[in-house]
Amino acid sequence: GAVVSQHPSRVICKSGTSVKIECRSLDFQATTMFWYRQFPKQSLMLMATSNEGSKATYEQGVEKDKFLINHASLTLSTLTVTSAHPEDSSFYICSARDRRVSGSIPNTEAFFGQGTRLTVV
Amino acid sequence: AQSVTQLDSHVSVSEGTPVLLRCNYSSSYSPSLFWYVQHPNKGLQLLLKYTSAATLVKGINGFEAEFKKSETSFHLTKPSAHMSDAAEYFCVVSHSFGNTPLVFGKGTRLSVIA
Repeated sequence: GAVVSQHPSRVICKSGTSVKIECRSLDFQATTMFWYRQFPKQSLMLMATSNEGSKATYEQGVEKDKFLINHASLTLSTLTVTSAHPEDSSFYICSARDRRVSGSIPNTEAFFGQGTRLTVV
Repeated sequence: AQSVTQLDSHVSVSEGTPVLLRCNYSSSYSPSLFWYVQHPNKGLQLLLKYTSAATLVKGINGFEAEFKKSETSFHLTKPSAHMSDAAEYFCVVSHSFGNTPLVFGKGTRLSVIA
């Protein structure tokens, strides 16, 4: 199946610094990728939709100036957490949907990266 | 709008006994439904998916789920639990077409007792 690679898997940074997380679709083109955040023992919450070649669409309550998303190519989206604070510590996961068509039914499966555990100290 | 309700936050079963994780959905459109599993400190793995083909869907590791439109349900089952099944399970809904994001349920933590 299709593969989404997310890097790094773990990062520890100092408060006030910025961290970049990369999400790559390895064997398919993803015009749209999604970024989720997961707090401990909670579900995944959609942060933003990353659109290749255009601005990302952010969910309500997500600060676009703090969580910068760039989708410069059909296989790469990046999330940069700027001026990180301890409350930004979380598990961040990207996903991309493979829209290859099988017959008349589109393959709507979403593939997830391995996730990035961010700890801000 | 779409939403998912996982009816149990925690399910505990004995090894070798059946597993039932319940999920109800709400969707304005023809939905795609998924079950994902997440082991501690790991990413997400797709167990199975329903995309308007057969209503009984078989997935990996012996799991299966049945799409019941009249009940708006998509419960996950397994005949016999293994210790390795202990994990967090997410029921997920999405619009069948288009590049729309997935909407996650709150998750059900499955514990398997030896």
